This record gives sequence, structure tokens and C-alpha cells, in this order.
Amino acid sequence: EAGVAQSPRYKIIEKRQSVAFWCNPISGHATLYWYQQILGQGPKLLIQFQNNGVVDDSQLPKDRFSAERLKGVDSTLKIQPAKLEDSAVYLCASSLRRGNTEAFFGQGTRLTVV
Amino acid sequence: AQSVTQPDIHITVSEGASLELRCNYSYGATPYLFWYVQSPGQGLQLLLKYFSGDTLVQGIKGFEAEFKRSQSSFNLRKPSVHWSDAAEYFCAVAPNNAGNMLTFGGGTRLMVKP
Repeated sequence: EAGVAQSPRYKIIEKRQSVAFWCNPISGHATLYWYQQILGQGPKLLIQFQNNGVVDDSQLPKDRFSAERLKGVDSTLKIQPAKLEDSAVYLCASSLRRGNTEAFFGQGTRLTVV
Repeated sequence: AQSVTQPDIHITVSEGASLELRCNYSYGATPYLFWYVQSPGQGLQLLLKYFSGDTLVQGIKGFEAEFKRSQSSFNLRKPSVHWSDAAEYFCAVAPNNAGNMLTFGGGTRLMVKP
């Protein structure tokens, strides 16, 4: 079974530039999550999708971050414009459904903003 | 809102020695509880989870954890550590009606001495 795929693995941008991350969840998984992991901290949930609808985006900085999952499969997370404090690993995860099922994580995209 | 505290940022143990990683949570009811492991450059892998029932939970790679409601704790244990266990360990909680919206602790980095 293929895991959660993310790209790119690494990205370096200058502040005020924009960047996008892509995630392909495990086939058949209805629920998709984006987490932000700043160096030395645990991951923080940014947004949760159920199919192509947003379930929770209360911790997403909506002035600069956006995410979509148009066809209920792949998802993109965008930052525009980036700030230095956005430097982090962005993790995508998916689960079969909401509720007490296991979430599977991708390897993440490491973003460095200079 | 729930929160998770992992009091030990770094722990060093000798190979073959026993291990206990501490986790304390704050939540109004009994949450779902998880332990994840993250190796360098890798995504998060689920070690074990507690939803209900037996408070001693067995996981992969020889790990176990015990839920103690009176202490709001969910400590991770392993009787004999192997060098390959060196990694970062994260405790996480989720509301018992949204099992995958995880709140993570800050992590404990485990180093194993030969």
C-alpha cells in the first residue's frame, strides 16, 4: 500500500515570496490533515478536510495561508507571502475517515524562509 | 482545549536498559491518547494508541504505555532499548469525538549509548 506522498521534500524561498506544497493521501482515505512542525516543537494541526470540505481550519493563519482539496483527493497548501517564522516542516496526513482511526503521515516538506 | 506536556526534552539511556518516557495531558474527559515516533527525515509513525478498555496498551517495536486517569498520564515504556530506537517521540491527544485531530506534546529526543 502506497503511503502519503508529499512534494517537494525541501524548499528555500525568500521572505514575501509565495510557495505551495502538494499532498497525495493514501487511496480511499476521506480525511486529510495539514500540520506545521517548527524545529524543536511538536506538530500543530493547521487544517482538516473531510473529502473536499473543510472540517476545521481554526489554527490556519488565513491572512497568508490557504489550502484546498478540490476533488477530495490531492491537496495543496499555499503560503503567500511567506514570513521568516513560517520556516518549518509541513506534514500531510490522511485517515480512512474521521473518528478513531489511525492517521498516516507523509515525510513532510521542509520549508526554509530566508 | 486539550494540551500535552512531555517534561523531558532529552533522555539518554544505554542500550539494553529500560526506558520510560513521560506524558501528561490536560482534557476535560478521557481523550484518545497516542504515541508517535519520528526518525530523522522520516514522517511520524504510530507506536500505539488508547481509546478505551485495558489501560495497558501494547504497541509495535516492543513498546507499551499505561493510561492512568488519576494522574492524567500516558507514559511510554520499553523493557530493553535498542540502538535503533534513537529518535524523537511524541505523545498526542485527541478529543474522544474527533479521534484524529491531534494535539502533540513538544517531544522527547531519545539517545541510546552503546
